[in-house]
Amino acid sequence: GESVGLHLPTLSVQEGDNSIINCAYSNSASDYFIWYKQESGKGPQFIIDIRSNMDKRQGQRVTVLLNKTVKHLSLQIAATQPGDSAVYFCAENLSGGGADGLTFGKGTHLIIQP
Amino acid sequence: NAGVTQTPKFRILKIGQSMTLQCTQDMNHNYMYWYRQDPGMGLKLIYYSVGAGITDKGEVPNGYNVSRSTTEDFPLRLELAAPSQTSVYFCASSYDLINYGYTFGSGTRLTVV
Repeated sequence: GESVGLHLPTLSVQEGDNSIINCAYSNSASDYFIWYKQESGKGPQFIIDIRSNMDKRQGQRVTVLLNKTVKHLSLQIAATQPGDSAVYFCAENLSGGGADGLTFGKGTHLIIQP
Repeated sequence: NAGVTQTPKFRILKIGQSMTLQCTQDMNHNYMYWYRQDPGMGLKLIYYSVGAGITDKGEVPNGYNVSRSTTEDFPLRLELAAPSQTSVYFCASSYDLINYGYTFGSGTRLTVV
């Protein structure tokens, strides 16, 4: 099976609430993780990344948390807006991995309710 | 600076036909990738390149070929289209292996009938 996966395929939240999207990974050798946002009909867009020597990283309205003990990654979006509706992918890269790059999860579809 | 440009955006092929999906980037990135995305699935790597003249197979290379004659261009070739190749194809590029802020193109939606 895939080494990167998501707990929920669809997440529905009220506009203005905080969203939390989860990702489980199985390879403890992974040392770099990225969250991507993919809007309908568009290519994935980089949101935020984190390395395995960190457990938290913040961006503008987004925070990524990494728990290496349970191999879990989450993306928190504060004050969710209609423009946040998209599919969110986590991706991982193995430590010392080759140029074939990232392994992507299936994605979580975030739906914003008005 | 256009980023990663893919053409065409949509294409319908008949079984057995061939076509080339074009990808070009103007960021002077060494690393380029082709992915396919099936409905409800993540991205699967088809081929990648670490620089002009160098290509290698990814996870799902069968039925595809690539070339990298220049830094900018990384076309993907389908020689004998099959229904299993119906998918959305994304090209991506990256400056290096340390900072993986891949830049993706907008995709090519291919249907094989």
